[in-house]
Amino acid sequence: DAGVTQSPTHLIKTRGQHVTLRCSPISGHKSVSWYQQVLGQGPQFIFQYYEKEERGRGNFPDRFSARQFPNYSSELNVNALLLGDSALYLCASSLVQTTDTQYFGPGTRLTVL
Amino acid sequence: AQKVTQAQTEISVVEKEDVTLDCVYETRDTTYYLFWYKQPPSGELVFLIRRNSFDEQNEISGRYSWNFQKSTSSFNFTITASQVVDSAVYFCALTSGGSQGNLIFGKGTKLSVKP
Repeated sequence: DAGVTQSPTHLIKTRGQHVTLRCSPISGHKSVSWYQQVLGQGPQFIFQYYEKEERGRGNFPDRFSARQFPNYSSELNVNALLLGDSALYLCASSLVQTTDTQYFGPGTRLTVL
Repeated sequence: AQKVTQAQTEISVVEKEDVTLDCVYETRDTTYYLFWYKQPPSGELVFLIRRNSFDEQNEISGRYSWNFQKSTSSFNFTITASQVVDSAVYFCALTSGGSQGNLIFGKGTKLSVKP
């Protein structure tokens, strides 16, 4: 079975631009979470979605938004990009419960110039 | 507040040595879950193990073993007879029902296994 997939793999943007990252969960998984990982740090929680509803939100500004589609795939949007948004963005999927194991995709590496 | 501390930033060993990665956690919840993930240079986080707070049995999987001790709030990970392929960053993480799906990660331990 395919694991979590993310697109694109790499992305270069300039300050002030907008970006959309995409994620497809493991088949049968209904929950998707997004994390930001800056160099040398552990991943930081951004959002969790379940059945198209936001179930949790981390300490990120309103420039960050997300949504989940009926097929359980998800998009993460970031507006007005800042240099500090440069990071690896990881998507994880899990079955249902908030405490189910989260399986991660390969990530999207975003560079903001 | 919930917190995970991995005090070892980097560890370097020679192949076939045993190595233990430390993880100390903080939570006020009585029901919680602990995880270890491996992140090779490619960047993808690979799930290794999940333990719940009511199961303190140690676990062994091949060369990997985990020691969970509630008394010291620790969940340590040992690799026996390390191999070059074990080189990666290892993360310990914590979640509970009250965290709304938020995995709290430590800062990670970078393990380098030299031939």
